[in-house]
Amino acid sequence: GAVVSQHPSWVICKSGTSVKIECRSLDFQATTMFWYRQFPKQSLMLMATSNEGSKATYEQGVEKDKFLINHASLTLSTLTVTSAHPEDSSFYICSAQTGVTNEKLFFGSGTQLSVL
Amino acid sequence: GESVGLHLPTLSVQEGDNSIINCAYSNSASDYFIWYKQESGKGPQFIIDIRSNMDKRQGQRVTVLLNKTVKHLSLQIAATQPGDSAVYFCAEIPDSSYKLIFGSGTRLLVRP
Repeated sequence: GAVVSQHPSWVICKSGTSVKIECRSLDFQATTMFWYRQFPKQSLMLMATSNEGSKATYEQGVEKDKFLINHASLTLSTLTVTSAHPEDSSFYICSAQTGVTNEKLFFGSGTQLSVL
Repeated sequence: GESVGLHLPTLSVQEGDNSIINCAYSNSASDYFIWYKQESGKGPQFIIDIRSNMDKRQGQRVTVLLNKTVKHLSLQIAATQPGDSAVYFCAEIPDSSYKLIFGSGTRLLVRP
């Protein structure tokens, strides 16, 4: 299957700093990528949909100025958590869409963010 | 978020037994469903999918059953192995949306 690489796999940062997470489709072009957030023992919550060359679409309740998404190429989307606080500590997961529908989705390995 | 689970139910099975994991989905208009397996600290891994025009689909050691009448989905794992221990999520795609909506998840523990 297609490979989605997510980096870093874990990061620890101080409160108030910004953290960038990268999501790359390694062997295919992804016009659409999705960013999810997952708290311990909970399900994945869709944060935003990232479309190449256009602004991301955020889910209700997700602050666009807090979670900056950039999808500058067909193989790379980045999520920047700005001015991170301890409550932003979570597991962040991206997925990339290969087909014209959501059916061909491949997930990255996730990034565990811990904000001190 | 559209689907949040506050507590993960746990299913404990003996190695070699069959496992049945259940999921209730929310949108009667959803026409595509997927089961994912997630191991600790990793992203979800595709297991099997099913369209709404089917009520059963079989893969290798896994079977998915869909009951649209009661909006219920199940995943059956035959001859459960220790490597099957993980959290399992069902996900749906509403007919009018491209978004993937995850269910609350079930933790499967396989006893040796």
